[in-house]
Amino acid sequence: QKEVEQNSGPLSVPEGAIASLNCTYSDRGSQSFFWYRQYSGKSPELIMFIYSNGDKEDGRFTAQLNKASQYVSLLIRDSQPSDSATYLCALKRNQGGKLIFGQGTELSVKP
Amino acid sequence: EAQVTQNPRYLITVTGKKLTVTCSQNMNHEYMSWYRQDPGLGLRQIYYSMNVEVTDKGDVPEGYKVSRKEKRNFPLILESPSPNQTSLYFCASSGTSGGETQYFGPGTRLLVL
Repeated sequence: QKEVEQNSGPLSVPEGAIASLNCTYSDRGSQSFFWYRQYSGKSPELIMFIYSNGDKEDGRFTAQLNKASQYVSLLIRDSQPSDSATYLCALKRNQGGKLIFGQGTELSVKP
Repeated sequence: EAQVTQNPRYLITVTGKKLTVTCSQNMNHEYMSWYRQDPGLGLRQIYYSMNVEVTDKGDVPEGYKVSRKEKRNFPLILESPSPNQTSLYFCASSGTSGGETQYFGPGTRLLVL
């Protein structure tokens, strides 16, 4: 079992819809969780991080963490074609600095 | 401008010919890391460094070396490259071990023939 699992997609949503990206993890001791966006041929850029159970909102993005069920999700409201990218889920087990990434979910927002 | 730079951006080499990919950051970050990205496998950490002269293995360290003699630089060394090291490589840095904002370099695309 992979430590961080994502559906590789592609996930296709119409412009203006809510895109829901999901990530599950196997290590219950994982402490912090991150969502990165990566455009084709570019480097990953951090969208959000979350440590505590519940929701965290930043503009059109909401990260949700449920440690009991071991999943973290990213909701993108009012999706735009410019949101089309691969979204990477990552976690840290502790303060040691090692990020573990999922394989990424490709999102396509159709005009 | 805060940034992480990598050189070269593209490299074609042959099996066994030693090469170095440089990484430099101008943000005075303590933490630096190297990743490789392969289709279907995502980003995997090769090595990381918590500070000068402090390095540790990531998930896929075999065939790679690193050094951290200065805070700003973290070169990746392939002593004897092999075709299975053909990949896209990213260097990253952050200011805390928590790595909340990890800045990535632009990437180095390596082809080993």
